Amino acid sequence: GAGVSQSPSNKVTEKGKDVELRCDPISGHTALYWYRQSLGQGLEFLIYFQGNSAPDKSGLPSDRFSAERTGGSVSTLTIQRTQQEDSAVYLCASSPFGGDTRRNIQYFGAGTRLSVL
Amino acid sequence: GEDVEQSLFLSVREGDSSVINCTYTDSSSTYLYWYKQEPGAGLQLLTYIFSNMDMKQDQRLTVLLNKKDKHLSLRIADTQTGDSAIYFCAEKGRGNTDKLIFGTGTRLQVFP
Repeated sequence: GAGVSQSPSNKVTEKGKDVELRCDPISGHTALYWYRQSLGQGLEFLIYFQGNSAPDKSGLPSDRFSAERTGGSVSTLTIQRTQQEDSAVYLCASSPFGGDTRRNIQYFGAGTRLSVL
Repeated sequence: GEDVEQSLFLSVREGDSSVINCTYTDSSSTYLYWYKQEPGAGLQLLTYIFSNMDMKQDQRLTVLLNKKDKHLSLRIADTQTGDSAIYFCAEKGRGNTDKLIFGTGTRLQVFP
């Protein structure tokens, strides 16, 4: 596809369940990012991948959150034992470049809206 | 710490100019960005500016950068109802990371 694809677009789950959110970046993009958008916290960074490694995972809010990326492409964000405060829109972005001096234009997917009941 | 601030709301009449303001904290930021988010959609990059520039113009959009005051603004000329959205400014995080630090977002409402 032409853009960043995220699935599912909506996810409703019960408190305590585990969820997996998927991101398909733009083909050939080496960098991949996860962000979370919630009413109380705005748009916050979670984790960044360069290839399959994660140089910066400083935004993961707790050890219930983890992410992996395989084959330098698809990424999965996993939230274990979900809590109501995890309810948010989870956004994925990809970029053709990495490195701290490049333009780092990030292209975003439409997001996954997670609701924890 | 890293903090990017914006006013929350802006209302303008169709055809007028809109100016959305942003202040950032990291004076070493190399690039600064403006993103647009329409309801139910992801973020769309509108424009960006390199820190050695004072101004960048792209059709109806004008970005002004005041590095001394760490102030960034986005001017939309001839604002249309289709410009109604949330606008985020962003700077690159400090250090060896590619993360973006986003502002709180400004909700622009355009009245006919």
